[in-house]
Amino acid sequence: LAKTTQPISMDSYEGQEVNITCSHNNIATNDYITWYQQFPSQGPRFIIQGYKTKVTNEVASLFIPADRKSSTLSLPRVSLSDTAVYYCLVGDAVNYGGSQGNLIFGKGTKLSVKP
Amino acid sequence: EAGVTQFPSHSVIEKGQTVTLRCDPISGHDNLYWYRRVMGKEIKFLLHFVKESKQDESGMPNNRFLAERTGGTYSTLKVQPAELEDSGVYFCASSHQWRATSYNEQFFGPGTRLTVL
Repeated sequence: LAKTTQPISMDSYEGQEVNITCSHNNIATNDYITWYQQFPSQGPRFIIQGYKTKVTNEVASLFIPADRKSSTLSLPRVSLSDTAVYYCLVGDAVNYGGSQGNLIFGKGTKLSVKP
Repeated sequence: EAGVTQFPSHSVIEKGQTVTLRCDPISGHDNLYWYRRVMGKEIKFLLHFVKESKQDESGMPNNRFLAERTGGTYSTLKVQPAELEDSGVYFCASSHQWRATSYNEQFFGPGTRLTVL
């Protein structure tokens, strides 16, 4: 699976838009990009997944350029409750949760939202 | 619908003792995974069950760790004997049966914090 690189930490104020960029230079053709969120004392939680261009759901948007060597998770108007660690994972989505679906986590980005 | 639950939430034991962690996956999920994060490290995969069968146990650190999933429902992870380096947070996750055309999201439990003194 492709290695990912993310900022170690980021700070933001409430109401701001936060963009977290992840580098994955060795992403393979069949790889998808998936983001998980982890609050303190909880397990990781799936946020969003994409292959190319832009994906949006009720929680976040994911921007993926044409070369797919990076991706940006965008959180609109963050609140204090968005303080968490955000993980970028890259791999073959078909196998992610299936018979070979062991997720490989990096160190993640610790987002701190301040009032 | 109840999420993935784990028991206990925290366990403190002495080196050499035995500890058993339990995971109850979301009802109907055939896939069950164990992960752990030791202090200062990334979350690492341990093993994967499909129903009661071990699909992949390549992440199990050594033979002091034994995972079971009798009947394909809940799973236990036993550490015997525990060593200091086993301290960390052990996560369990579950997902639906593999579907080739869709993403099978993994749902994580809150984790069990294991402290070995």
